[in-house]
Amino acid sequence: KQEVTQIPAALSVPEGENLVLNCSFTDSAIYNLQWFRQDPGKGLTSLLLIQSSQREQTSGRLNASLDKSSGRSTLYIAASQPGDSATYLCKSENTDKLIFGTGTRLQVFP
Amino acid sequence: DAGVTQSPTHLIKTRGQQVTLRCSPISGHKSVSWYQQVLGQGPQFIFQYYEKEERGRGNFPDRFSARQFPNYSSELNVNALLLGDSALYLCASSLGTSGPSDTQYFGPGTRLTVL
Repeated sequence: KQEVTQIPAALSVPEGENLVLNCSFTDSAIYNLQWFRQDPGKGLTSLLLIQSSQREQTSGRLNASLDKSSGRSTLYIAASQPGDSATYLCKSENTDKLIFGTGTRLQVFP
Repeated sequence: DAGVTQSPTHLIKTRGQQVTLRCSPISGHKSVSWYQQVLGQGPQFIFQYYEKEERGRGNFPDRFSARQFPNYSSELNVNALLLGDSALYLCASSLGTSGPSDTQYFGPGTRLTVL
């Protein structure tokens, strides 16, 4: 059974810092791993999708990496801004299951 | 282009009642997935449908059911509501080609409160 864990659960940092959010999964037989952000009470916005054959994806200040052998993915946020404040979720997709982590709640203060 | 739409946005029901939630996918998307998100937790997978067939199911009781229509829209039904069913219900659509490249796009969700 796939289990997805995100560490840390919460993070508060000053503006401008570079951040690393971690996502661990127990079953390496995944199709892909996707990162989302969620603003309070809202739906999810897709950030990056890493296919099982890929090692990383980049979009602007965001970079996500995938290491299937160790069961880990990291989301790197460069030069954080107050607008980055949200909950960040990772999701793994296996044969017929889509499993989310519990999320990292990020607050970036000016 | 319109994104994924869900209706209603908010809903209040009492225990024992039944509820139907609706989702319209992005034009051209053939797969719809449903998730339940309890406050403070990550979304839990309920169902995935593709071309009107169930492709996957999470660990939810039989009180939860869903279907997908020929136009690829979907309904989620929950019978005999319990207090614990109070949550944000999220719908996501994707092309449905499966495999690694199927990015999911989420709707804004339906907030269900059971009293």
